[in-house]
Amino acid sequence: DGGITQSPKYLFRKEGQNVTLSCEQNLNHDAMYWYRQDPGQGLRLIYYSQIVNDFQKGDIAEGYSVSREKKESFPLTVTSAQKNPTAFYLCASSNSLGGLQPQHFGDGTRLSIL
Amino acid sequence: GQQLNQSPQSMFIQEGEDVSMNCTSSSIFNTWLWYKQEPGEGPVLLIALYKAGELTSNGRLTAQFGITRKDSFLNISASIPSDVGIYFCAGKVNAGNNRKLIWGLGTSLAVNP
Repeated sequence: DGGITQSPKYLFRKEGQNVTLSCEQNLNHDAMYWYRQDPGQGLRLIYYSQIVNDFQKGDIAEGYSVSREKKESFPLTVTSAQKNPTAFYLCASSNSLGGLQPQHFGDGTRLSIL
Repeated sequence: GQQLNQSPQSMFIQEGEDVSMNCTSSSIFNTWLWYKQEPGEGPVLLIALYKAGELTSNGRLTAQFGITRKDSFLNISASIPSDVGIYFCAGKVNAGNNRKLIWGLGTSLAVNP
């Protein structure tokens, strides 16, 4: 079945560590996105990529980095510079042709600090 | 960043009741999307609206794109326990730029069997 796979489901980070969250899609979508979700704050855009080898900062990019070396993959690294990384992270993708297609989401990764 | 005004923030209803929630914005949107999120999972698209005045149904769910293009509502008829979750609206300011998806803060729905 086509879809978006995020891994791991749960992730723990020690202080000062970088961790990488995986996002893979087999929907042949051009665009991919990373959101952070905190209780009561809805979804906030971290980074997005409209095409391979290109990505743009979203509203809360500080302390995060991404890469888009392959169309189907958009990993997110939470760096030690992100002082409050505990959150639910959601990856999404869409077919950006025409810009009208809605975003489809993975099942998320919950990151916690040890 | 900009956010939509989504209301109510939470609802607690009896099974069988109808539910109505809405989103308003100071900006004109070209697209309205409604998602449902269950605990520990990602949001799932329920209904997408692309035209002012459009009324679209998906089973017991009905959503409308407001004529002013600044609001949208979602109705759920004859609620059942599996309707429990958080419902999010999202609007797109510029149809040519998929990045500009603005999110509401969600309506949390609880259904008492």
